[in-house]
Amino acid sequence: DTEVTQTPKHLVMGMTNKKSLKCEQHMGHRAMYWYKQKAKKPPELMFVYSYEKLSINESVPSRFSPECPNSSLLNLHLHALQPEDSALYLCASSQDPGGKNSPLHFGNGTRLTVT
Amino acid sequence: AQKVTQAQTEISVVEKEDVTLDCVYETRDTTYYLFWYKQPPSGELVFLIRRNSFDEQNEISGRYSWNFQKSTSSFNFTITASQVVDSAVYFCALSANMNSGGYQKVTFGTGTKLQVIP
Repeated sequence: DTEVTQTPKHLVMGMTNKKSLKCEQHMGHRAMYWYKQKAKKPPELMFVYSYEKLSINESVPSRFSPECPNSSLLNLHLHALQPEDSALYLCASSQDPGGKNSPLHFGNGTRLTVT
Repeated sequence: AQKVTQAQTEISVVEKEDVTLDCVYETRDTTYYLFWYKQPPSGELVFLIRRNSFDEQNEISGRYSWNFQKSTSSFNFTITASQVVDSAVYFCALSANMNSGGYQKVTFGTGTKLQVIP
């Protein structure tokens, strides 16, 4: 079983909808990440939270809004998305945000379809 | 700049065959880490192994083995006696240069899709 839990597993939303993706980890990791993965492509980094503070935003459009309510939770709020935003959204965590050697622990992902 | 190349896009093998997945990396850092992740059809990326740049010992874990060679900047992954459950996309990844914010940024290869045919 994965130690990073993501909900929902699947999400279909219209371009005018507002929805949120949720991620939870209880490994005591201090860094949490959002990745976007298109079919047959590697994961692309979107955001990094370190000690509950946003550390990296990889020039992601403002229609994606991350939030880290506490050290275990990470949300991604979605608003006015485009069909090209359809993808698998992966949450990950790692023990040490500043270390090169911390492996990423991924959730199962949310498969998002924007209609 | 960091780069990871997985030249094999798709590989098909018959069950019980051995298969090697290639990974070539580029970095100017002297200290770096290499990883392999497995992504089955269910979507979750599963961490398989981590290797640091100072440890060139090969590693074996059950049917999995990894061959790290700094001289050729390669970190290849071999599955012995492949099984249908090994069917997945495998990503090689590199963590090297710290960005200006001091946080880890992982560079993934493009992945190799392995299909094990029964």
